[in-house]
Amino acid sequence: GAGVSQTPSNKVTEKGKYVELRCDPISGHTALYWYRQSLGQGPEFLIYFQGTGAADDSGLPNDRFFAVRPEGSVSTLKIQRTERGDSAVYLCASSPSSGSGTDTQYFGPGTRLTVL
Amino acid sequence: GNSVTQMEGPVTLSEEAFLTINCTYTATGYPSLFWYVQYPGEGLQLLLKATKADDKGSNKGFEATYRKETTSFHLEKGSVQVSDSAVYFCALRRTGGFKTIFGAGTRLFVKA
Repeated sequence: GAGVSQTPSNKVTEKGKYVELRCDPISGHTALYWYRQSLGQGPEFLIYFQGTGAADDSGLPNDRFFAVRPEGSVSTLKIQRTERGDSAVYLCASSPSSGSGTDTQYFGPGTRLTVL
Repeated sequence: GNSVTQMEGPVTLSEEAFLTINCTYTATGYPSLFWYVQYPGEGLQLLLKATKADDKGSNKGFEATYRKETTSFHLEKGSVQVSDSAVYFCALRRTGGFKTIFGAGTRLFVKA
């Protein structure tokens, strides 16, 4: 079956602009995660959804970042007033259930965001 | 807090050499431990996992044993291939948790 998909694969924007990054999880997966991976680093957790609600958004760096999942499937990560430091690969992952600690998280290919 | 430390790369080996990538962790309780792999141009994939002490995860010839006494989860493979060239990430997730904490990654180059 289809894996996690993310669009766009690449996004170049100018400092101060608004961007939206989209994630389509694996069908039927209730849990959805966003991570950010800076060059040469491992992914860092941003936010976790269980169904439609954000169960933990403690990883969002500041109030310029916001994410939604209105119907419990597709999620959008929104970044306002982008800064050069926001440049990174944004990864989405999904898993079948509520996060038992042992669930396998399936990752998408990522969106590479470049802020000029 | 919870954290993962893995050996710095890059690691360069000849084909059929033995591979070890060291990983140690700091965590409260008994986390689950994971190795993920990122092949060039591809997304992050789960390679193997272990959910309790002394468990051994294995896949594609790779193995790692959950060592609670040394808080380690070293990745090993007896004979690497060129196709194993990738970045390897050690990671943990606490029991009942959902947030995966990753190490910085170790890049492996395998020469023919």
